[in-house]
Amino acid sequence: QVQLVQSGGGVVQPGGSLRLSCAASGFTFSSYGMHWVRQAPGKGLELVAFIRNDGGTTYYADSVKGRFTISRDNPRNILYLQMNSLRAEDTAVYYCARDFSLLAVADCFNVWGQGTMVTVSS
Amino acid sequence: EIVLTQSPATLSVSAGERATLSCRASQSVSRDLAWYQQKPGQAPRLLMYGASTRATGFPARFSGSGSGTEFTLTISSLQSEDFAVYYCQQYNSWPLTFGGGTKVDIK
Repeated sequence: QVQLVQSGGGVVQPGGSLRLSCAASGFTFSSYGMHWVRQAPGKGLELVAFIRNDGGTTYYADSVKGRFTISRDNPRNILYLQMNSLRAEDTAVYYCARDFSLLAVADCFNVWGQGTMVTVSS
Repeated sequence: EIVLTQSPATLSVSAGERATLSCRASQSVSRDLAWYQQKPGQAPRLLMYGASTRATGFPARFSGSGSGTEFTLTISSLQSEDFAVYYCQQYNSWPLTFGGGTKVDIK
C-alpha cells in the first residue's frame, strides 16, 4: 500500500543538527513532489520545505532558509530533511507528505508520514 | 503570501447537529483549496480538495463549497468520530499556506 515511514528525530541542543528520513513505498516516488510540514506543540501546520519530483526545484519557509536542506534519493525512494543550527522554535512534530497529483506545480497532500518529534532543548 | 483565516477557532457542537466551518483567503485562490482533518496524535488526513471534492474514505455528510476567497466546510450531522481539528490549505500559489485550524469539540 501507499505509505511514508519516517525515521530520525529526537532531542538535540540548540545549535545542533539532525537529519530526518522518509521512506516511500507503494507508488512511483520519482513522479511526485514531496514536502516537510511541521507542527509545534499545540499549534497549527507550517510548510517547511518542498522538493520537486526530480529534485530540480526546492522551496523553504523563511523561518528555516539557510539552515535546513531538503533532498531526495529517487532510486532508494527516500526523502530527507537535514536540519542545522537548530533553535528552540524548531521544536515540533515533523511530517513528510506527498503531492496529491503526479508532476504537480502546486498541490494538496494526500499521503502523510506518521510524524516524528524534534525537540531542541539544552 | 496568501493568508488563510479560519473561523471559529473552536466550535462546540452536539452529536447529530450540523457544523459549519469557514476559511477566508486574503486573495483569490480560485478553487485550489483543501481541507484536512486531524485527530490527536495523528497526522492530518486529506478530507476535501478542489474546494468541494471529498477525498477517499470520507462520507457524504462532509461537504465543501466556495471559490475565490470564501470557503465553507459543512458536516451535516456530527458523529463521534468527527470531533477533531480541521485545517484549510491553499495550493493556488506559492508559498502554500494553511489556516490556523478550527477545533470541533463536544458540546
